[in-house]
Amino acid sequence: EVQLVESGGGLVQPGGSLRLSCSAPRFTVSTNYMSWVRQAPGEGLEWVSIIYSGGSTYYADSVKGRFTISRDNSKNTVYLQMNSLRAEDTAVYYCARTNWNALRGAFDIWGQGTMVTVSS
Amino acid sequence: EIVLTQSPATLSLSPGERATLSCRASQSISSYLAWYQQKPGQAPRLLIYDTSNRATGIPARFSGSGSGTDFTLTISSLEPEDFAVYYCQQRSNWPPLTFGGGTKVEIK
Repeated sequence: EVQLVESGGGLVQPGGSLRLSCSAPRFTVSTNYMSWVRQAPGEGLEWVSIIYSGGSTYYADSVKGRFTISRDNSKNTVYLQMNSLRAEDTAVYYCARTNWNALRGAFDIWGQGTMVTVSS
Repeated sequence: EIVLTQSPATLSLSPGERATLSCRASQSISSYLAWYQQKPGQAPRLLIYDTSNRATGIPARFSGSGSGTDFTLTISSLEPEDFAVYYCQQRSNWPPLTFGGGTKVEIK
């Protein structure tokens, strides 16, 4: 069954912005730690950002100052606002639940991914 | 930043054979290590968390071991559906949360 649904990807020019969304039909995002993980074409996995249940946020150095993670509890949705996009941000972006305590920080639920392409 | 180095990059094996995948951390990460399986066009799937605990629904042929800096994922007898890319991931010392570069298990 689908547990995370991402949307918002697409083609954007360098320097542009995009906002990704991640909704969770089957659990409450505000009581969980939620992350974004990306995967460039043909490459491995790279953690991008996390938002704690308490609201604290953290970022990879590669996106710090350009990307912002947030959530809307009323919509049970997590967002990734991406500004000043670069070619190297081109990737599939996955939303993932980060099971911090019970599973010691493992990503136990993943979305299907949304493709972001930064190109002129 | 903790760097995770996976080896080998590619493992060529036949169905029924045993697969042994390695993940080495640049410093001790206690037991905060997870393993994922990823097939082409799909999201990763959690296999193992906290070094040796199988995630829900993961077959018993998958096992994890190790501590400190050296970790192993073992697939006792490869099934056709096990040919995929495998990643390790740590959360001991962060940010950032980090992944290894991956090991591709391919059919020989």
